[in-house]
Amino acid sequence: DTAVSQTPKYLVTQMGNDKSIKCEQNLGHDTMYWYKQDSKKFLKIMFSYNNKELIINETVPNRFSPKSPDKAHLNLHINSLELGDSAVYFCASSQGAGAVYNEQFFGPGTRLTVL
Amino acid sequence: QKEVEQDPGPLSVPEGAIVSLNCTYSNSAFQYFMWYRQYSRKGPELLMYTYSSGNKEDGRFTAQVDKSSKYISLFIRDSQPSDSATYLCAMSAWSHTGNQFYFGTGTSLTVIP
Repeated sequence: DTAVSQTPKYLVTQMGNDKSIKCEQNLGHDTMYWYKQDSKKFLKIMFSYNNKELIINETVPNRFSPKSPDKAHLNLHINSLELGDSAVYFCASSQGAGAVYNEQFFGPGTRLTVL
Repeated sequence: QKEVEQDPGPLSVPEGAIVSLNCTYSNSAFQYFMWYRQYSRKGPELLMYTYSSGNKEDGRFTAQVDKSSKYISLFIRDSQPSDSATYLCAMSAWSHTGNQFYFGTGTSLTVIP
């Protein structure tokens, strides 16, 4: 059983396009995250949602808009893609913001290449 | 200054060597200290976590936390080629919005047979 899944795994697109990445977790977790990992492997948090509500929104261009239709799904929509958006995007989930310790479970990543 | 600093490497060692990976941090509010392992083209997976200062051992892996020095380490004994991966340290601190996670940049490790 896949705990955290993302689609698509690879995404190649032209500059200026709009694209979405989907994430689903079947762990019953309350909190979900989006991370961006650049070519140097630096993992930076972008957004965090707890029970469908946004709780962390780091300094991310407003071209990036997360949407959580329910607590098992957190999608990421990106408008007007730029070359600098090329990276691997990871979705993750954890038990909940109220827990003292939360192990994060990561999805397999979506490798986005903007041409 | 970044919240968490980690030497990116790369680190290359012969099979059987002892590997030492380290991170330093600046936020004294961090309470949980984690090490994630990330194989190429995969997502990070939790390897070990430690609460507050002290040591924790799991098989060939030992995690150490020294809160007074704001320094954490991961030791790998009898390293194997299958240990070749990127190792990311991570730390969390509790805030009113929940646990805040901060990751190091990762250290790339290659164990040569």
